[in-house]
Parts: sequence; C-alpha cells; structure tokens
Amino acid sequence: AQTVTQSQPEMSVQEAETVTLSCTYDTSESNYYLFWYKQPPSRQMILVIRQEAYKQQNATENRFSVNFQKAAKSFSLKISDSQLGDTAMYFCAFMISLGANSKLTFGKGITLSVRP
Amino acid sequence: ETGVTQSPTHLIKTRGQQVTLRCSSQSGHNTVSWYQQALGQGPQFIFQYYREEENGRGNFPPRFSGLQFPNYSSELNVNALELDDSALYLCASSLGGRGARRTDTQYFGPGTRLTVL
Repeated sequence: AQTVTQSQPEMSVQEAETVTLSCTYDTSESNYYLFWYKQPPSRQMILVIRQEAYKQQNATENRFSVNFQKAAKSFSLKISDSQLGDTAMYFCAFMISLGANSKLTFGKGITLSVRP
Repeated sequence: ETGVTQSPTHLIKTRGQQVTLRCSSQSGHNTVSWYQQALGQGPQFIFQYYREEENGRGNFPPRFSGLQFPNYSSELNVNALELDDSALYLCASSLGGRGARRTDTQYFGPGTRLTVL
C-alpha cells in the first residue's frame, strides 16, 4: 500500500518570501506520479504541479517548483515570491500510473498562511 | 472548455436517509473519481468509474454506490446515512484508458458539503 506523509501541519510565510512544504511517500512501485494540490477556503481542489517519477528533471510552474528525490522518496514544494492568494491548505498526493485504476492517495495536508 | 461541476453545493440530511450527489466531468474526460474529505483531513478515495464501469474502490461499505452515464457524468449514492458520513464529497475527472492521450491527472469540482444530523 502507498502512504503519503506531510508532517508539518501549519506554516507561515511573509509576503514575497520563499517557503518550502515537505512531503514524503512510501511505495514499492517504480512508475508513478506525484502531485501538489491547493485547497483555498473556497474548497475547490486546484492542481498546482505534477511530477512523473521517471523524469529526473524537477517540475516547475511559474512560482512553484518541486524538489523530487526518488531514492529518498521525498517530494517538496517550493513557493517563491509568496502572495496573499497562496494562503490555502496544500496536499501532496501520489498516483500509480500503471493499470486502469488511477486513484490518488493524499497526505493530511499543510495549512499555509501568507502574512502581509 | 467546461470544468468539473457538482450539485448540490450543500445538503443537510438526517441519519438513516439516502442521498444522491451529482458530478459532470470536464469536457473530453471519460473517468470520474469520488473522494470523501472529512474536516481537516486529506481526501479519501471512494471509487472510480471509467466508461460506465466501476474501476476501483476504496475502503468504503457497500452503502456507498455510484453510476456513470454515457455522457460520463456520475452520481454518488449513499444509503442509510450515518453521522460520520458528514464530509465534503469531491468529484474529479480525468482522461483514462490505454491510449496515448491518457493523462490521469485529476481535475476536481467544487465539492458537495453533506451534513448528517
């Protein structure tokens, strides 16, 4: 079974600063995807970034980038130039990419607050 | 491109009742997954439908059931509601299958907040 661990329940960052959210996972699979989703108070789960395990290059999306360490089973999210709109709950999620059943396994999430 | 929509937004039921939640998938997607998110927790996988067939199920009892229609929209039905069923129910759609166009990335709807009294 796959597990996803987000050990930091809350973090706070000053506007315009950089923050890193941690995530570790456990799996015996070799092919999988990793995701970060953002859930603001409006509840809508929004995809932030996606990483395929076979790719060595870390994914980036504008101010968001990941540090993917496959051997260590670590997948952290770095948010640069933090904005007030980044305030939300952030979930790390795992998906096996083989087979037709592509369920997401989520961590417990981390609440990020961006201070003005 | 139309995103994932869910209805209703909020619902209040009493213990023992039955409820149906609805989801319209994103245009071009053929797979719908349902998740239950308790307050302050990460979503838990309920089941997935691919081309109208159940395609995987999480650790939920049989009173949680679903359907997918030919237009790939979906319903989640919960019978004999219990207090612990109070949660946010999220629907996500994706393009599944075995073809090269398969992406598996799931896009979520806004959710239905169910309260069981």
